[in-house]
Amino acid sequence: GAGVSQTPSNKVTEKGKYVELRCDPISGHTALYWYRQSLGQGPEFLIYFQGTGAADDSGLPNDRFFAVRPEGSVSTLKIQRTERGDSAVYLCASSPDGGRTDTQYFGPGTRLTVL
Amino acid sequence: GDSVTQMEGPVTLSEEAFLTINCTYTATGYPSLFWYVQYPGEGLQLLLKATKADDKGSNKGFEATYRKETTSFHLEKGSVQVSDSAVYFCALMDSSYKLIFGSGTRLLVRP
Repeated sequence: GAGVSQTPSNKVTEKGKYVELRCDPISGHTALYWYRQSLGQGPEFLIYFQGTGAADDSGLPNDRFFAVRPEGSVSTLKIQRTERGDSAVYLCASSPDGGRTDTQYFGPGTRLTVL
Repeated sequence: GDSVTQMEGPVTLSEEAFLTINCTYTATGYPSLFWYVQYPGEGLQLLLKATKADDKGSNKGFEATYRKETTSFHLEKGSVQVSDSAVYFCALMDSSYKLIFGSGTRLLVRP
């Protein structure tokens, strides 16, 4: 079946602009996660959705970052007033129900470059 | 807070050599443990996992055993191939169900 998909695969924007990154999870997965991976580092957690609600948003770095999942499927990560330090690969993952033994399946990521 | 420490790379081996990549963790409770692999130009893929102490995860000839007493989850393979060249990430799932990753270890296998 189809895996996790993310669009766009690459996004180049200018400092101060607004961007939206989209994630389509595996069909039927109730849990959805966003991570951010900087060059040479492991992914870092941003936010976790269980259904439509954000169960844990403790990883969002500041109030310029916001994410939604209005119908419990597709999610959008929104970044306002982008800064050069926001440049990274943004990864989305989904899992069947978010349990402690669940496997999280990752998408290919969106590479964001802020000029 | 919870954390994962893995050996720094790059690790360079000849084909058919034995591989060990060390991973230790700090966590409250008993987290599930994972190894993910990122092949060149591809996304993160689960390699193996273990969900309780003394469990052994295995896949594609790789193995790792959940050692509670040493808080470790070292990755091993008896005979590596050129196609195993990739970046390997050790991770734990914390009590909030999010993954905490190590910084990754790059493996380069030469023919």
